[in-house]
Amino acid sequence: QKEVEQNSGPLSVPEGAIASLNCTYSDRGSQSFFWYRQYSGKSPELIMFIYSNGDKEDGRFTAQLNKASQYVSLLIRDSQPSDSATYLCAVNTGNQFYFGTGTSLTVIP
Amino acid sequence: DAGVIQSPRHEVTEMGQEVTLRCKPISGHDYLFWYRQTMMRGLELLIYFNNNVPIDDSGMPEDRFSAKMPNASFSTLKIQPSEPRDSAVYFCASSSSDRGPLEQYFGPGTRLTVT
Repeated sequence: QKEVEQNSGPLSVPEGAIASLNCTYSDRGSQSFFWYRQYSGKSPELIMFIYSNGDKEDGRFTAQLNKASQYVSLLIRDSQPSDSATYLCAVNTGNQFYFGTGTSLTVIP
Repeated sequence: DAGVIQSPRHEVTEMGQEVTLRCKPISGHDYLFWYRQTMMRGLELLIYFNNNVPIDDSGMPEDRFSAKMPNASFSTLKIQPSEPRDSAVYFCASSSSDRGPLEQYFGPGTRLTVT
């Protein structure tokens, strides 16, 4: 079992809709959780992080963490074509850092 | 402040040759990470340093790979000898312990092609 798993997609949503991206992790001791966005041919960039159970909102983005179920999700409200990218989930466990393989999102105008 | 700087941006080499990738982290950052990204395997952490000291190199594929960080502003990743399966994009990233090691800033990457 991989340490971090994501549905590779592709996920397609119409412009203005909510995009929901999910990630599960295997180690219950994981402490911090991050979402990175990667445009095609570019490097990953950090968009959200969450450390505690519950929701964290930043503009159109909401990160949700459920440690009991070992999943973290990213919601993108009012999706825009510029949100089309691959979204990488990353997890920190002690001195270890793991990335998922990413979910490709396409927002259709 | 300049972001993470990597060089070269593109490298094409023949199998068996030595390849050296270079990285300059953001000034003041005390963590430095080397990643490799391929379509098949996604983003893989190869090695990371804290205060110039290697902390975890368990992701380094084999002895052909080595990494050094002689000072806080420079790191290298060397592959010797290179093989076609090493073809990938190699990213360097840096972060600060003040903000947390996973709040990383990535460089533009080096696209390596080994023929």
